[in-house]
Parts: sequence; structure tokens; C-alpha cells
Amino acid sequence: DAGVIQSPRHEVTEMGQEVTLRCKPISGHDYLFWYRQTMMRGLELLIYFNNNVPIDDSGMPEDRFSAKMPNASFSTLKIQPSEPRDSAVYFCASSDRINQPQHFGDGTRLSIL
Amino acid sequence: SQKIEQNSEALNIQEGKTATLTCNYTNYSPAYLQWYRQDPGRGPVFLLLIRENEKEKRKERLKVTFDTTLKQSLFHITASQPADSATYLCALSGSARQLTFGSGTQLTVLP
Repeated sequence: DAGVIQSPRHEVTEMGQEVTLRCKPISGHDYLFWYRQTMMRGLELLIYFNNNVPIDDSGMPEDRFSAKMPNASFSTLKIQPSEPRDSAVYFCASSDRINQPQHFGDGTRLSIL
Repeated sequence: SQKIEQNSEALNIQEGKTATLTCNYTNYSPAYLQWYRQDPGRGPVFLLLIRENEKEKRKERLKVTFDTTLKQSLFHITASQPADSATYLCALSGSARQLTFGSGTQLTVLP
């Protein structure tokens, strides 16, 4: 079975550029989550969707961050404009029910120069 | 504010011994507690889930306990192997909250 697929695996870009991260959840999973992981703050929830609808975006750090889920098989996390402090590993995860195990992708390692 | 502490940023044990990892929490009444394993360069992988009304859960060489009075979970790996070396994350969730992760414990099993 295909797991959660994220692209790109690595992204290096200059400050001020727009960055778009992509995620394909496991088919049939109704919940999709975006996380950010850093050494200082660990793994933090940014936003999550249920049936393509954003439910809680209180973890989104700033208006520079936005996320969409146009259909059940695709989601994007966009940063515009990007800043060096956005450098982190961004994970997407999906689950079939609330409070149940989440399946994570292998992340996108983002470096903003 | 709620806080999750995983004791010991790093834990080294000898192969064959039992590894015990601790997860303590404050200002939280979670209904569910989960443990994940994370290898370098990979996403977390789910291991076990335990509910607030369960005291213990087992899966092969893994055992999790959940003490809501002490606000603590213990995660045990028996007969540890070098392949068990990884970072282990505990995560809590409740009826009104999504998963909140601890900072993790890096386990190294020495051959």
C-alpha cells in the first residue's frame, strides 16, 4: 500500500521566494495534518483538515503560511514570502479517524537562505 | 499551559536489556496516548496507542503503561536489539485537541 507521499523531499531557496510543499494522503483517510519539526521546538501541528475542510489552523505561525486541500488526494502548504526562520522539516500525516494513529510522510527538508 | 516531558534526551543500553522510556505530562487530561518511532531522515511511525481507561498495552516486545493519576506513561522494549535504536516520541490527544508531541528520547542499543 502506498503511504503518505510528500514532495519535494528537499527544497533550498532564497529568502523572499514562494515555497510550495505538496502532500498526497493515504486513500480513504479523512484527516490530513501538516506538522513542522525543528530541534528547538520539536514536532508542532500547523493545521489539519477533515474531509478537505480546514478545522484548526491555530498552529500556523503567520499569515505568510497558507494551506489548501482542493480534493481528498492532495494538499499544499505554501509559504510566501519565505524567511530563514522557516527552515525546518515539514511533515504531512493522515488518519482515518480522529484521535487514531497517524501515518506520516517522510517530510520535506526546507532550507531558506 | 500543557507540557509533555520525555525524560532523558538520550538513553544508551546494552543489547538484550529492557529499555524503559518515560513520558510525563502536566495541565492535560488526555484521552489517548500514542508512541511513535522516528528514524533519521524519516517521518514518525506509529507503534502503540493506549486509552485513558487502559492500564497497559502490549505488542510483541513492546509494552506501554498509562497512569492517569501520576500523569505518566512508560514505554518498554524488552530484549532490545541494535535495530531498536531510534528516537521515540510520545503524543497525547483528547476529545478537543489533536496530537501534541513530546520532544522525544533518542535510544541507542549497544551491541
